[in-house]
Amino acid sequence: ILNVEQSPQSLHVQEGDSTNFTCSFPSSNFYALHWYRWETAKSPEALFVMTLNGDEKKKGRISATLNTKEGYSYLYIKGSQPEDSATYLCAFPSGDQTGANNLFFGTGTRLTVIP
Amino acid sequence: GAGVSQTPSNKVTEKGKYVELRCDPISGHTALYWYRQSLGQGPEFLIYFQGTGAADDSGLPNDRFFAVRPEGSVSTLKIQRTERGDSAVYLCASSFKAGLAHYEQYFGPGTRLTVT
Repeated sequence: ILNVEQSPQSLHVQEGDSTNFTCSFPSSNFYALHWYRWETAKSPEALFVMTLNGDEKKKGRISATLNTKEGYSYLYIKGSQPEDSATYLCAFPSGDQTGANNLFFGTGTRLTVIP
Repeated sequence: GAGVSQTPSNKVTEKGKYVELRCDPISGHTALYWYRQSLGQGPEFLIYFQGTGAADDSGLPNDRFFAVRPEGSVSTLKIQRTERGDSAVYLCASSFKAGLAHYEQYFGPGTRLTVT
């Protein structure tokens, strides 16, 4: 079992505010880190798969950075909108590059954007 | 294109009953994963299939849980003698193939199981 931690557990922000949250993971035997967004009553949706130390990825107003040496990733949302309200999950694949790579998930950060 | 689908979306059953949860993966995806999310937790791995075979079932909590994928496509998760602690959202995901950590997993909307 791999220890993947996310903080904060929940977050309320006003529409238009920018926000960020953290995922920490084991820094040894790193292969990739996945970020998902899970809206209520919908499927978890993949946001990013990050593989390289120093990686920075962006999708619209959402971006993520990766530090594999210290074992953390930040997710940033610029100018939050009500439709950003969701649970944001990070996940760390098990095994190695030839293994099953089932995902170990953090408990998520529940974001609520207040109009 | 069609994503991963799961049926039923909600299932309420009495303690001790048997339930089956179905997953239809994305066509052409050979890897299929089952996860379970209990209240306040992140999804936890249950079992993974590569093709028809269960390649890793180490996450199944006990022998009341069993899953099949007889033709390498649709999978069914079976729970015998359900207990209240089995109440959770059961998620299915598929991937083009397993074995590469950067391959994205595509999730279905889940089945919410409530055992009364």
